[in-house]
Amino acid sequence: GAVVSQHPSWVICKSGTSVKIECRSLDFQATTMFWYRQFPKQSLMLMATSNEGSKATYEQGVEKDKFLINHASLTLSTLTVTSAHPEDSSFYICSARDRRGGPYEQYFGPGTRLTVT
Amino acid sequence: GQQLNQSPQSMFIQEGEDVSMNCTSSSIFNTWLWYKQDPGEGPVLLIALYKAGELTSNGRLTAQFGITRKDSFLNISASIPSDVGIYFCAGQYVGGSNYKLTFGKGTLLTVNP
Repeated sequence: GAVVSQHPSWVICKSGTSVKIECRSLDFQATTMFWYRQFPKQSLMLMATSNEGSKATYEQGVEKDKFLINHASLTLSTLTVTSAHPEDSSFYICSARDRRGGPYEQYFGPGTRLTVT
Repeated sequence: GQQLNQSPQSMFIQEGEDVSMNCTSSSIFNTWLWYKQDPGEGPVLLIALYKAGELTSNGRLTAQFGITRKDSFLNISASIPSDVGIYFCAGQYVGGSNYKLTFGKGTLLTVNP
């Protein structure tokens, strides 16, 4: 149980275009989902916290107009990278918190590799 | 954002050896978590610690939550080749509705067969 999926697993887009990444909790309901970015050989950096039915909370330095987050249901959150630039190329990982579990129970998706050319 | 101090940065060991890595923080945490990440994958939870002083095992893995709530260590005994990967510690301070995790920079483990 507690499986989180991401789609797509990898995507290549041209500079200036937008790309949407989906994060789904497959066998549980997630009141909260988190979006992270990870550059090569670096740690995970939290970008934003997404609560179902409300606006996402962004970390300092993360542009909310560039990284649009929508958490429309208890099993789906989406991250849209708008007007993508090569420096946005990274590994994007989501995690989901099981609404029935304790605060620590966050399950991670397999990640999405974004390459902007 | 805030990061934890995780050491060592990398380790090269022989199969069968024991491994130890640790994390320290300037802030206290309610929960310490240890994750393993394989290349191109998301992190997988190995051990979760909820109480200061707690010592928890998961197979060949043992982790402890420091008494000061500002540190934790992870030990791997009798390492095997599939232990290769990046190990991250993460601290969680639960306050209000904040369940954010703060990650260490990771320890890259290489096991020579």
